[in-house]
Amino acid sequence: DAGITQSPRHKVTETGTPVTLRCHQTENHRYMYWYRQDPGHGLRLIHYSYGVKDTDKGEVSDGYSVSRSKTEDFLLTLESATSSQTSVYFCAISELQGSGHYGYTFGSGTRLTVV
Amino acid sequence: AQKITQTQPGMFVQEKEAVTLDCTYDTSDQSYGLFWYKQPSSGEMIFLIYQGSYDEQNATEGRYSLNFQKARKSANLVISASQLGDSAMYFCAMDSGGGADGLTFGKGTHLIIQP
Repeated sequence: DAGITQSPRHKVTETGTPVTLRCHQTENHRYMYWYRQDPGHGLRLIHYSYGVKDTDKGEVSDGYSVSRSKTEDFLLTLESATSSQTSVYFCAISELQGSGHYGYTFGSGTRLTVV
Repeated sequence: AQKITQTQPGMFVQEKEAVTLDCTYDTSDQSYGLFWYKQPSSGEMIFLIYQGSYDEQNATEGRYSLNFQKARKSANLVISASQLGDSAMYFCAMDSGGGADGLTFGKGTHLIIQP
């Protein structure tokens, strides 16, 4: 168990308000990721992190920022939420497997609705 | 850039039949990993099977096998003896092998197993 906790699990917010989603992991994994899932699009990478204060943009980063001030926490912020950001957000970690490749484990997801 | 294509938006299959879910990929990397995930209606992402680009044998995990055809850039998932509990969304994904840049996902196939 990679010990990934996402909070909140559900959130409804109004257009134009800031929103922060939290991903917390308990096993000191270096690599962390934020994805969004929308019908017909699968999962798309928003931002990822190589370590504390080391982040990079993914495929759909516009309108999102991230921060990682501690190894265990990776925060995703919507500075001014829009209806197009209504989605399910997944956090993930990667860890080296015994066979030598990296495996990815996902949190339970946060369902965000922007009204 | 990496790309995953899943051409079957939905499939209906009779219980106990074998199922093949199609996945083709595109990448300029020599080293990469291919993954399949299952997402039941409850929403969690469940890892099923992994194939490395240098693995000569097709991966198998219980009733799941990955039909890897490198020259055709295909990584089809085969589920033998399907069960009602196999009804779910299935996602094909790939990474560049280093565990840092995250997974690129296809749009998914919605599999429904009929009794």
